[in-house]
Amino acid sequence: SAVISQKPSRDICQRGTSLTIQCQVDSQVTMMFWYRQQPGQSLTLIATANQGSEATYESGFVIDKFPISRPNLTFSTLTVSNMSPEDSSIYLCSGRDTANEKLFFGSGTQLSVL
Amino acid sequence: QQQVKQSPQSLIVQKGGISIINCAYENTAFDYFPWYQQFPGKGPALLIAIRPDVSEKKEGRFTISFNKSAKQFSLHIMDSQPGDSATYFCAASMLGGGNKLTFGTGTQLKVEL
Repeated sequence: SAVISQKPSRDICQRGTSLTIQCQVDSQVTMMFWYRQQPGQSLTLIATANQGSEATYESGFVIDKFPISRPNLTFSTLTVSNMSPEDSSIYLCSGRDTANEKLFFGSGTQLSVL
Repeated sequence: QQQVKQSPQSLIVQKGGISIINCAYENTAFDYFPWYQQFPGKGPALLIAIRPDVSEKKEGRFTISFNKSAKQFSLHIMDSQPGDSATYFCAASMLGGGNKLTFGTGTQLKVEL
């Protein structure tokens, strides 16, 4: 199966700043997604990262707050903009393996906003 | 319509016992039902998955049972081991939905010696 490298693994940020999270896949994937997981909670889909075009956001998430890029089939970034303590969460990227159609995840970025 | 309900929230099982986690869904368009295992500080890892054309799938000590008419599916972990202690998530998706997964709320499993 493909492997996703996600970084940073954790960060502590100040209110009002922005953080960009990177995901690199070791093989081409057709689809990439970004999820948020609040402590002890389930995973909530933020958006689908589309290669070469604007991401598709789920209800409750907007591009101005969570801009996403996907310049090619193996790389994507998620930026958490103008952060507040409510943004403290684990952010996960995932990809759909073209070989077996399975969805797999990076190890996550644990974000704390002070 | 898009929810996946998971129970129990937490589970304690003795080593060697059977762990059972249940999920129910509403959307009959769902056609792919994976289970993920997540250890602290790690991303979820795919454990086993089933499609609705079969009622059961077994991989090693892990079995999914699927009841299409009841819109329920469950994960059974046979001969549970302390190393199985983790959080388990069921999920569902549909091909027409772009493979976006809808996750259950998670079950924290602890296997005691």
